Amino acid sequence: IVLTQSPGTLSLFPGERAALSCRASQSVGSTYVAWYQQKPGQAPRLLIYDVSTRATGIPDRFSGSGSGTDFTLTISRLEPEDFAVYFCQQYGTSRLTFGGGTKVEIK
Amino acid sequence: EVQLVQSGPEVRKPGESLRISCQVSGYTFATSWIGWVRQMPGKGLEWMGLIYPGYSDTRYSPSFQGQVTFSVDKSINTAYLQWSSLKASDTAIYYCARQRGSKVLGAFDIWGQGTVVTVSS
Repeated sequence: IVLTQSPGTLSLFPGERAALSCRASQSVGSTYVAWYQQKPGQAPRLLIYDVSTRATGIPDRFSGSGSGTDFTLTISRLEPEDFAVYFCQQYGTSRLTFGGGTKVEIK
Repeated sequence: EVQLVQSGPEVRKPGESLRISCQVSGYTFATSWIGWVRQMPGKGLEWMGLIYPGYSDTRYSPSFQGQVTFSVDKSINTAYLQWSSLKASDTAIYYCARQRGSKVLGAFDIWGQGTVVTVSS
């Protein structure tokens, strides 16, 4: 399954809402999608798993939604520490795949 | 605290072999799948495959099958990623990560800090 993330780069001000898209080439089902945040020089960090469940310690401004082939990560109000690259991942098939990433940058 | 601590940066020549490690602590090593993920310079994340330390069951991405080998040493809670003959295109950061839950497929909830591998003549 190929995951296509859009946009490639999102330029926003702190305090604005961010909506990141992840589209699958075929259905992933209703559960098997995760989102990760990666900052420069750091390992990825799990934000969301099973489409909409926040990982431990993740603030509630992060939320995930979607099903089938279309999934969205929403950051309700961007904090300075949220500017980073975000990757989606599907684990609905025996070959896990990641999306190409969306960079959220300060406008 | 659950931790995955990876071995340090490596520089090798093409054709050389290499094994990097991922030592875990803070949970029962044998009961969670460990995944390996590649990130080439300036690029995204690529899933390489999984190993279940409990009985060394392995699942390789077709893209990496035959190119790398996963193994574990349960006595020291360590997973390994190994190459027998490196290529310049293996230059990347390699992450190990714990898969949450007990199913064979899942999200990666804890990540190692990454091992930088540089292959250059």
